[in-house]
Amino acid sequence: QEQLVESGGGLVKPGGSLTLTCAASGLGSGLGFSDYFMYWVRQAPGKGLECIAYISDTTGRKIHYPDSLKGRFTVYRDNGQKSLYLQMNNLRLEDTAVYYCARGRYYSDLPHVWGQGTLVTVSS
Amino acid sequence: DIEMTQSPSSLSASVGDRVTITCQASQGITNFLNWYQEKPGKAPKLLIYDASNLKSGVPLRFSGSGSGRDFTLTITGLQTEDTGTYYCQQFDILPFTFGPGTKVEVK
Repeated sequence: QEQLVESGGGLVKPGGSLTLTCAASGLGSGLGFSDYFMYWVRQAPGKGLECIAYISDTTGRKIHYPDSLKGRFTVYRDNGQKSLYLQMNNLRLEDTAVYYCARGRYYSDLPHVWGQGTLVTVSS
Repeated sequence: DIEMTQSPSSLSASVGDRVTITCQASQGITNFLNWYQEKPGKAPKLLIYDASNLKSGVPLRFSGSGSGRDFTLTITGLQTEDTGTYYCQQFDILPFTFGPGTKVEVK
């Protein structure tokens, strides 16, 4: 069964750093981890959903962040490890949220797959 | 960024009713649109992908339609377990963006 599992969340002080990991397993449809683009979505308490990072498939050459996060967050992937990462620096109180990883593929008739999420709490 | 709007923001309907939620993109997104259902404390659950494809395992009472800028999620024969918040998501243009959500209450 296809699944993505996030880890690395926890409690961190303002200004601190954290790296989230998203591990993929059971990816079917004859495709491998590298065949999918990946992205991170977060949801702050009581708020809506926000896509905070995107990385293209294969080499991950195309990366995108919303302007509000540029410079603090870094997304990267290790196709050999079937893993996606999100390095978060200089964390702020407003970064407190559940963080989800997800994958997709254009023109494939394949639905996006999401993980179950990992909670990041930024608090002094 | 593409702005996604949803209407209504909330609704209350009875078991068995037909419910329609609309989603509009600020510019055309072909059919690169997903619909999710969210329940408290749970990850969003994908219902519809590519605007009109029902994800395997999702009840047939859910359906999606539309292309370009205007999209619709329909629940035909509302059930009590359909209570939750529904979001649309475009993935045509980066950054991927979500609608603000429609809260559905089942009376």
